[in-house]
Amino acid sequence: EAQVTQNPRYLITVTGKKLTVTCSQNMNHEYMSWYRQDPGLGLRQIYYSMNVEVTDKGDVPEGYKVSRKEKRNFPLILESPSPNQTSLYFCASSPAGRVRAQYFGPGTRLTVL
Amino acid sequence: QQPVQSPQAVILREGEDAVINCSSSKALYSVHWYRQKHGEAPVFLMILLKGGEQKGHEKISASFNEKKQQSSLYLTASQLSYSGTYFCGTEIGGGSQGNLIFGKGTKLSVKP
Repeated sequence: EAQVTQNPRYLITVTGKKLTVTCSQNMNHEYMSWYRQDPGLGLRQIYYSMNVEVTDKGDVPEGYKVSRKEKRNFPLILESPSPNQTSLYFCASSPAGRVRAQYFGPGTRLTVL
Repeated sequence: QQPVQSPQAVILREGEDAVINCSSSKALYSVHWYRQKHGEAPVFLMILLKGGEQKGHEKISASFNEKKQQSSLYLTASQLSYSGTYFCGTEIGGGSQGNLIFGKGTKLSVKP
């Protein structure tokens, strides 16, 4: 089944404790992205990647890191999480070409205390 | 810059029609439309590309006015399953391929 998977789905952590949210896709898509969703603000792109080793900042990259060492994986790293990073996070992938429809993972709900 | 969606919310009876608008201040390469049901991930509905190409859901239609940087999503003969929040996403393209900026969403409720 074609899908985007994220782990963990739920995470409660404390301020300053480094964490990684994994994202993996099995559709051989070139593009991958991370978004955060907060009430009333919609989806905001954190980082995106156009291919292996090629990443760029989205609209809200501060406090996040990403890496794209393999085509299928795009982990999101929070080196020192803070309470304002409490949010619902989505990973998405899309093919290259003109029609770059995004396929979203199930989401990770993160709470930083 | 985030595209502006209108209306913010709309309530319909089954069978009624609705139009959701999306407006950007920048020249666009593409406009995407997604629907998100409560507690779920957004799901792709349609993409409209500069130059007139469209790909997406058979029962949903949309338009893209490239000159005005505006797109509209048309939901006709609405069904209960249409309920959810609709997001437009805009892509400028060029060197920013993959940079998709979403609007704040339009909440659609369809009542029996």
